[in-house]
Amino acid sequence: DTGVSQDPRHKITKRGQNVTFRCDPISEHNRLYWYRQTLGQGPEFLTYFQNEAQLEKSRLLSDRFSAERPKGSFSTLEIQRTEQGDSAMYLCASSPTGAVAEAFFGQGTRLTVV
Amino acid sequence: SQQGEEDPQALSIQEGENATMNCSYKTSINNLQWYRQNSGRGLVHLILIRSNEREKHSGRLRVTLDTSKKSSSLLITASRAADTASYFCATDEGSNYKLTFGKGTLLTVNP
Repeated sequence: DTGVSQDPRHKITKRGQNVTFRCDPISEHNRLYWYRQTLGQGPEFLTYFQNEAQLEKSRLLSDRFSAERPKGSFSTLEIQRTEQGDSAMYLCASSPTGAVAEAFFGQGTRLTVV
Repeated sequence: SQQGEEDPQALSIQEGENATMNCSYKTSINNLQWYRQNSGRGLVHLILIRSNEREKHSGRLRVTLDTSKKSSSLLITASRAADTASYFCATDEGSNYKLTFGKGTLLTVNP
């Protein structure tokens, strides 16, 4: 296991379509995070999983967004009825259990809504 | 929302020079981390400094933390062209260990 893997790397979709992204964290990591990054900005937190439980969601995560982590392994982030404002880089990160831990990021999925 | 700001927003230096980036934040933290991001790629963790530490070194990196001023600095010594990237500070405020990032400093190292 060489790191956090995200798929696809790039996605172009028409406004109003649904999209789903996948994240495979480092296998022994219990914690999984989704972040969103727009051009010229730092990543912003979207949601957090501890194993299969979604423990925190940002107010940025509108009801068009849903995330899952079945069986505490991979995670998916779905955006329904995409809008142009959803265009961004979606980053997944994982970290091991512990009071102080660095986050390991995937390469991200760049979403463009046209 | 973003926790703080990096300063400067952009920095251009010659290879071999040192680069210093600063980060300010707003709330109490458990630790502060610095990440690097090459254009269009994911973030790579560089160094973590705990709230009870004042300085930390890792290779050519030196990080300082002043919790009374709510600020941190990242020094890269003897810079290389390969150091060209955006650098972000991120704070862990203790809620589920999620990170709050600044807007980053774009460092360009000219050969």
